[in-house]
Amino acid sequence: KAGVTQTPRYLIKTRGQQVTLSCSPISGHRSVSWYQQTPGQGLQFLFEYFSETQRNKGNFPGRFSGRQFSNSRSEMNVSTLELGDSALYLCASSWGRQQGPSETQYFGPGTRLLVL
Amino acid sequence: KNQVEQSPQSLIILEGKNCTLQCNYTVSPFSNLRWYKQDTGRGPVSLTIMTFSENTKSNGRYTATLDADTKQSSLHITASQLSDSASYICVVSASAGNNRKLIWGLGTSLAVNP
Repeated sequence: KAGVTQTPRYLIKTRGQQVTLSCSPISGHRSVSWYQQTPGQGLQFLFEYFSETQRNKGNFPGRFSGRQFSNSRSEMNVSTLELGDSALYLCASSWGRQQGPSETQYFGPGTRLLVL
Repeated sequence: KNQVEQSPQSLIILEGKNCTLQCNYTVSPFSNLRWYKQDTGRGPVSLTIMTFSENTKSNGRYTATLDADTKQSSLHITASQLSDSASYICVVSASAGNNRKLIWGLGTSLAVNP
């Protein structure tokens, strides 16, 4: 079974631009979560989508948005990029049948975003 | 405030040696604690998960312990291998009803040298 895939793997943008990242979950998984990872902050939760609906949201500004399609693939968009947005963006998928605390998330390799 | 603190921040050991990583948490209401391994350039991979009633869980050469009274967990790696070089992240789940929140530690960076 194929794992979680993310595209692109690396991205360089300049301040003020916008970016869209893509995530394809494991087949059958309906929940997709997005995280931002930086050395100083660790993993920070952005949002979770389940069946095309945002189910949970972290404490990020409105410049960060996402969506999920009917095939469970998800995209994350960041508008008006800032230098501090440079990070590894990770996508994780799970069955999502219940929002259970023990449900395992499977992570993709991430998209490394550099904002100049 | 829900927090997860890991120590040490980084660690260097020789191949074949054992090591122990620590995780202290102040999370309420506690649901479970999970250890992840993250190789460079890859996403985290779950190693173990423990609930309140479990005090030890093994996965090959990895053994995690949990003391719910002192709110401490450790991850012990036996007979380390070069492939164990990675970041190890402790994550605690706080859950109330259908509302789940994951609190992530900053991780311990482990380097295993030949």
